[in-house]
Amino acid sequence: ETGVTQTPRHLVMGMTNKKSLKCEQHLGHNAMYWYKQSAKKPLELMFVYSLEERVENNSVPSRFSPECPNSSHLFLHLHTLQPEDSALYLCASSQGGGSQETQYFGPGTRLLVL
Amino acid sequence: AQKITQTQPGMFVQEKEAVTLDCTYDTSDPSYGLFWYKQPSSGEMIFLIYQGSYDQQNATEGRYSLNFQKARKSANLVISASQLGDSAMYFCAMREATDSWGKLQFGAGTQVVVTP
Repeated sequence: ETGVTQTPRHLVMGMTNKKSLKCEQHLGHNAMYWYKQSAKKPLELMFVYSLEERVENNSVPSRFSPECPNSSHLFLHLHTLQPEDSALYLCASSQGGGSQETQYFGPGTRLLVL
Repeated sequence: AQKITQTQPGMFVQEKEAVTLDCTYDTSDPSYGLFWYKQPSSGEMIFLIYQGSYDQQNATEGRYSLNFQKARKSANLVISASQLGDSAMYFCAMREATDSWGKLQFGAGTQVVVTP
Protein backbone atom coordinates (compact mmCIF):
# COMPACT_ATOMS: atom_id res chain seq x y z
CA GLU A 1 0.00 0.00 0.00
CA THR A 2 1.09 3.54 -0.60
CA GLY A 3 0.30 6.92 0.88
CA VAL A 4 -1.98 7.28 3.87
CA THR A 5 -4.69 4.75 4.61
CA GLN A 6 -7.57 4.97 7.05
CA THR A 7 -9.96 2.36 8.41
CA PRO A 8 -12.84 2.05 8.61
CA ARG A 9 -14.05 4.25 5.79
CA HIS A 10 -17.52 4.50 7.27
CA LEU A 11 -18.67 4.10 10.87
CA VAL A 12 -22.05 4.33 12.55
CA MET A 13 -22.07 4.28 16.33
CA GLY A 14 -24.37 4.93 19.22
CA MET A 15 -23.57 7.46 21.89
CA THR A 16 -22.60 4.77 24.39
CA ASN A 17 -20.30 2.84 22.06
CA LYS A 18 -16.53 2.76 22.06
CA LYS A 19 -14.75 2.59 18.71
CA SER A 20 -11.37 3.39 17.24
CA LEU A 21 -10.26 4.96 13.98
CA LYS A 22 -6.98 3.80 12.50
CA CYS A 23 -4.54 5.63 10.27
CA GLU A 24 -1.37 4.26 8.70
CA GLN A 25 1.17 6.14 6.61
CA HIS A 26 3.61 4.48 4.22
CA LEU A 27 5.58 7.63 3.38
CA GLY A 28 8.29 7.49 6.02
CA HIS A 29 7.02 10.69 7.61
CA ASN A 30 7.59 11.65 11.23
CA ALA A 31 4.52 13.76 11.95
CA MET A 32 0.87 12.73 11.90
CA TYR A 33 -2.35 14.70 12.31
CA TRP A 34 -6.04 14.25 12.97
CA TYR A 35 -8.49 16.72 11.41
CA LYS A 36 -12.25 16.98 11.71
CA GLN A 37 -14.36 18.14 8.78
CA SER A 38 -17.96 18.99 9.66
CA ALA A 39 -20.56 20.14 7.19
CA LYS A 40 -20.29 23.85 6.41
CA LYS A 41 -17.18 24.36 8.54
CA PRO A 42 -13.52 24.59 7.56
CA LEU A 43 -11.29 21.68 8.50
CA GLU A 44 -10.30 21.77 12.14
CA LEU A 45 -7.02 20.43 13.44
CA MET A 46 -7.54 18.11 16.40
CA PHE A 47 -4.17 16.56 17.27
CA VAL A 48 -0.57 16.61 16.09
CA TYR A 49 2.02 13.94 16.81
CA SER A 50 5.71 14.34 16.10
CA LEU A 51 7.95 11.29 16.54
CA GLU A 52 5.14 9.62 18.47
CA GLU A 53 4.83 12.49 20.93
CA ARG A 54 1.70 14.59 21.06
CA VAL A 55 2.78 18.16 20.35
CA GLU A 56 -0.58 19.81 19.95
CA ASN A 57 -4.03 19.22 21.26
CA ASN A 58 -6.43 21.75 19.85
CA SER A 59 -8.89 21.94 22.78
CA VAL A 60 -10.51 18.69 21.80
CA PRO A 61 -13.03 17.12 24.23
CA SER A 62 -11.73 14.19 26.22
CA ARG A 63 -14.19 11.82 24.55
CA PHE A 64 -11.61 11.82 21.73
CA SER A 65 -8.40 10.11 22.74
CA PRO A 66 -5.47 9.83 20.30
CA GLU A 67 -2.73 7.24 20.36
CA CYS A 68 0.46 7.07 18.32
CA PRO A 69 2.34 3.82 19.01
CA ASN A 70 4.95 4.47 16.31
CA SER A 71 5.63 6.95 13.53
CA SER A 72 3.56 4.97 11.00
CA HIS A 73 0.36 4.47 12.97
CA LEU A 74 -2.15 6.81 14.54
CA PHE A 75 -5.39 5.96 16.29
CA LEU A 76 -8.34 7.99 17.45
CA HIS A 77 -10.28 6.29 20.23
CA LEU A 78 -13.89 7.38 20.53
CA HIS A 79 -16.20 6.99 23.51
CA THR A 80 -19.53 8.46 24.56
CA LEU A 81 -19.70 10.68 21.49
CA GLN A 82 -22.44 13.16 20.74
CA PRO A 83 -24.46 13.50 17.53
CA GLU A 84 -22.59 16.75 16.77
CA ASP A 85 -19.40 14.69 16.52
CA SER A 86 -20.69 13.24 13.26
CA ALA A 87 -18.17 14.35 10.64
CA LEU A 88 -15.45 13.25 8.28
CA TYR A 89 -12.25 12.50 10.21
CA LEU A 90 -9.12 12.93 8.17
CA CYS A 91 -5.65 11.73 9.02
CA ALA A 92 -2.56 13.34 7.49
CA SER A 93 1.20 12.97 7.67
CA SER A 94 4.19 15.12 6.81
CA GLN A 95 7.96 15.06 7.00
CA GLY A 96 8.50 17.55 9.76
CA GLY A 97 6.49 20.59 10.77
CA GLY A 98 8.05 23.37 8.72
CA SER A 99 5.86 25.75 6.77
CA GLN A 100 7.08 24.24 3.51
CA GLU A 101 6.21 20.64 4.41
CA THR A 102 3.22 19.24 2.58
CA GLN A 103 0.68 17.25 4.53
CA TYR A 104 -0.66 14.20 2.74
CA PHE A 105 -4.13 13.04 3.68
CA GLY A 106 -5.87 9.72 3.89
CA PRO A 107 -9.32 9.04 2.44
CA GLY A 108 -11.05 9.79 5.75
CA THR A 109 -13.55 8.02 7.97
CA ARG A 110 -17.16 9.18 7.73
CA LEU A 111 -18.59 8.94 11.22
CA LEU A 112 -22.25 9.06 12.10
CA VAL A 113 -23.22 9.19 15.77
CA LEU A 114 -26.81 8.24 16.51
CA ALA B 1 -10.31 35.37 12.84
CA GLN B 2 -10.44 33.54 9.55
CA LYS B 3 -6.99 33.53 8.00
CA ILE B 4 -7.91 32.02 4.64
CA THR B 5 -10.77 33.44 2.60
CA GLN B 6 -12.28 31.77 -0.42
CA THR B 7 -15.07 34.01 -1.67
CA GLN B 8 -16.51 31.70 -4.34
CA PRO B 9 -18.71 29.03 -2.80
CA GLY B 10 -19.34 27.38 -6.17
CA MET B 11 -18.49 27.62 -9.85
CA PHE B 12 -19.54 26.00 -13.09
CA VAL B 13 -16.94 25.68 -15.82
CA GLN B 14 -17.13 24.15 -19.25
CA GLU B 15 -14.85 21.29 -20.17
CA LYS B 16 -11.55 22.41 -21.75
CA GLU B 17 -11.87 25.92 -20.37
CA ALA B 18 -9.62 27.45 -17.72
CA VAL B 19 -10.92 28.39 -14.29
CA THR B 20 -9.46 30.60 -11.56
CA LEU B 21 -10.24 29.94 -7.91
CA ASP B 22 -9.69 32.85 -5.57
CA CYS B 23 -7.84 32.70 -2.26
CA THR B 24 -6.72 35.50 0.01
CA TYR B 25 -4.87 35.02 3.26
CA ASP B 26 -3.96 36.96 6.34
CA THR B 27 -0.69 36.62 8.20
CA SER B 28 2.01 38.75 9.76
CA ASP B 29 4.52 35.92 9.60
CA PRO B 30 7.11 36.58 6.85
CA SER B 31 7.59 32.84 6.34
CA TYR B 32 4.63 30.72 5.35
CA GLY B 33 3.50 28.13 2.87
CA LEU B 34 0.36 28.13 0.75
CA PHE B 35 -1.26 24.92 -0.44
CA TRP B 36 -4.16 23.93 -2.62
CA TYR B 37 -6.01 20.68 -2.15
CA LYS B 38 -8.75 18.96 -4.12
CA GLN B 39 -11.47 16.98 -2.37
CA PRO B 40 -13.71 14.83 -4.58
CA SER B 41 -16.98 13.50 -3.25
CA SER B 42 -15.14 10.41 -2.00
CA GLY B 43 -13.63 12.59 0.72
CA GLU B 44 -9.90 12.22 0.23
CA MET B 45 -7.95 15.49 0.37
CA ILE B 46 -5.55 15.46 -2.58
CA PHE B 47 -2.55 17.79 -2.58
CA LEU B 48 -2.26 19.83 -5.77
CA ILE B 49 0.32 22.58 -5.49
CA TYR B 50 2.53 24.48 -3.05
CA GLN B 51 3.86 28.05 -2.99
CA GLY B 52 6.40 29.28 -0.45
CA SER B 53 6.30 32.87 0.72
CA TYR B 54 9.87 33.45 -0.44
CA ASP B 55 9.44 31.83 -3.84
CA GLN B 56 10.07 34.34 -6.59
CA GLN B 57 8.20 32.43 -9.27
CA ASN B 58 4.64 31.21 -9.39
CA ALA B 59 4.33 27.49 -8.77
CA THR B 60 3.13 25.21 -11.55
CA GLU B 61 2.21 21.51 -11.53
CA GLY B 62 0.89 20.17 -14.78
CA ARG B 63 -2.47 21.84 -15.45
CA TYR B 64 -2.37 23.65 -12.12
CA SER B 65 -0.69 26.98 -11.57
CA LEU B 66 -0.72 29.35 -8.68
CA ASN B 67 -1.03 33.08 -9.26
CA PHE B 68 0.85 34.39 -6.22
CA GLN B 69 0.52 38.08 -5.49
CA LYS B 70 2.32 38.57 -2.22
CA ALA B 71 1.56 42.25 -1.72
CA ARG B 72 -2.14 41.57 -2.14
CA LYS B 73 -1.91 38.39 -0.03
CA SER B 74 -3.52 36.47 -2.80
CA ALA B 75 -2.85 32.92 -4.02
CA ASN B 76 -5.31 32.05 -6.75
CA LEU B 77 -5.35 28.59 -8.32
CA VAL B 78 -5.66 28.36 -12.08
CA ILE B 79 -6.78 25.08 -13.62
CA SER B 80 -6.19 25.02 -17.36
CA ALA B 81 -8.09 22.83 -19.83
CA SER B 82 -10.69 21.64 -17.30
CA GLN B 83 -11.68 17.99 -17.35
CA LEU B 84 -14.82 16.30 -16.02
CA GLY B 85 -12.67 14.68 -13.34
CA ASP B 86 -11.80 18.12 -11.99
CA SER B 87 -15.28 18.39 -10.46
CA ALA B 88 -14.58 18.58 -6.73
CA MET B 89 -14.25 20.87 -3.74
CA TYR B 90 -11.03 22.91 -3.76
CA PHE B 91 -9.42 24.18 -0.61
CA CYS B 92 -6.74 26.80 -0.10
CA ALA B 93 -4.62 26.37 3.04
CA MET B 94 -1.76 28.11 4.79
CA ARG B 95 0.95 26.99 7.16
CA GLU B 96 2.81 29.65 9.14
CA ALA B 97 6.40 29.10 10.24
CA THR B 98 5.68 30.47 13.71
CA ASP B 99 2.87 27.96 14.24
CA SER B 100 4.71 25.11 15.84
CA TRP B 101 4.19 21.79 14.21
CA GLY B 102 2.53 23.05 11.19
CA LYS B 103 -1.12 23.65 11.71
CA LEU B 104 -2.70 23.85 8.28
CA GLN B 105 -5.41 26.51 8.21
CA PHE B 106 -8.05 25.91 5.59
CA GLY B 107 -10.49 28.13 3.79
CA ALA B 108 -14.15 27.24 3.38
CA GLY B 109 -13.57 25.82 -0.07
CA THR B 110 -14.95 26.33 -3.59
CA GLN B 111 -17.14 23.70 -5.24
CA VAL B 112 -16.23 23.32 -8.91
CA VAL B 113 -18.53 21.56 -11.36
CA VAL B 114 -17.15 20.88 -14.82
CA THR B 115 -19.83 20.50 -17.49
CA PRO B 116 -19.49 18.81 -20.89
